[in-house]
Amino acid sequence: AQSVSQHNHHVILSEAASLELGCNYSYGGTVNLFWYVQYPGQHLQLLLKYFSGDPLVKGIKGFEAEFIKSKFSFNLRKPSVQWSDTAEYFCAVTRDNYGQNFVFGPGTRLSVLP
Amino acid sequence: KAGVTQTPRYLIKTRGQQVTLSCSPISGHRSVSWYQQTPGQGLQFLFEYFSETQRNKGNFPGRFSGRQFSNSRSEMNVSTLELGDSALYLCASSSRGGNIQYFGAGTRLSVL
Repeated sequence: AQSVSQHNHHVILSEAASLELGCNYSYGGTVNLFWYVQYPGQHLQLLLKYFSGDPLVKGIKGFEAEFIKSKFSFNLRKPSVQWSDTAEYFCAVTRDNYGQNFVFGPGTRLSVLP
Repeated sequence: KAGVTQTPRYLIKTRGQQVTLSCSPISGHRSVSWYQQTPGQGLQFLFEYFSETQRNKGNFPGRFSGRQFSNSRSEMNVSTLELGDSALYLCASSSRGGNIQYFGAGTRLSVL
């Protein structure tokens, strides 16, 4: 069964610091990869997605992620975080052509200090 | 377009009772998935319905069931509630292509 791991449970940064959240998955075939964000008190929202093509994917709010197939990784980055980025971030994987049965990582809580 | 709507937003039940949660997907979306979110276990997939048929099922006991109606609205039922069923239950819908899920705000269930 495929699984998704996220390297950090809780990350604390100061505003303007750079962010990188790790995500690794176990499935060896073709995958679709996602990062979702859950702001305090709000529902899950899609940040960015990778299906195919350029492995560097740009999402909303200045976030980007890089798919490295050889490392089974899909790390999320942002060059300069803001207090409003405080949220929980989830990496998710689904297999190509299935589209469902998403497997989510355990989440990384990001706290940005003003 | 309206987003995914889940009702009710909050529920308080006691052990042994049963509960039904409702999800209205985005208009035109025919796939509805349900997840359980808890601090300890994270997001866990319950099941997915497409065109009134259960297409995928996660690893939950038979007390958890669901159905989907012809208008794509879905309900999830949990019978004989246990304390450990306290969680945020999330519904997500996707279009026929299915590769992006859009989530509702969830129903927070507290079992006392």
